[in-house]
Amino acid sequence: ETGVTQSPTHLIKTRGQQVTLRCSSQSGHNTVSWYQQALGQGPQFIFQYYREEENGRGNFPPRFSGLQFPNYSSELNVNALELDDSALYLCASRPVAGGHETQYFGPGTRLLVL
Amino acid sequence: QKEVEQDPGPLSVPEGAIVSLNCTYSNSAFQYFMWYRQYSRKGPELLMYTYSSGNKEDGRFTAQVDKSSKYISLFIRDSQPSDSATYLCAMRNQAGTALIFGKGTTLSVSS
Repeated sequence: ETGVTQSPTHLIKTRGQQVTLRCSSQSGHNTVSWYQQALGQGPQFIFQYYREEENGRGNFPPRFSGLQFPNYSSELNVNALELDDSALYLCASRPVAGGHETQYFGPGTRLLVL
Repeated sequence: QKEVEQDPGPLSVPEGAIVSLNCTYSNSAFQYFMWYRQYSRKGPELLMYTYSSGNKEDGRFTAQVDKSSKYISLFIRDSQPSDSATYLCAMRNQAGTALIFGKGTTLSVSS
């Protein structure tokens, strides 16, 4: 186990709704990244937060937004859900002294949009 | 052309076999190369990482990077049924924050 937890484990929403996914980083980790993994695909980078500010973003529209809190927990918010948003959402945290390669992934939240 | 190409398989081998998993990439700026293992309904788990070219060994696992050919490999010796999982290659450049993943190769090791 990596010490990174995510909630909820599963979620079903309908098109047009909004969703909030949560991540609790491993103790001592101050950087968190979010990835989207569609079925049969590798994870795709959404964005990264460091010290409560976004410091990197992938090719995702603005309706994907996030927050990082002082205790390094994090949220991913998705507005106006579309069917293609159905995927496994992964958060990954990194220790202060670690390089980008030492990212530890949580178990993910599986989102289904109907 | 995708930045990282990986044959999705599936790959089926008997217990004890040597497994070779591969990825090719197009971005010559990639410097860090990783292999993750992902069991069904779990998050990816870091197995190996290599900086630039060369080999790295850890137990039954060996990672190789050939930057001149833009080709990376993961070898698994004496494969076990517990190695059955999806193996994802990932890479990034020096300044990047994002890991770029391949699609993953599904491996099944039968006893």
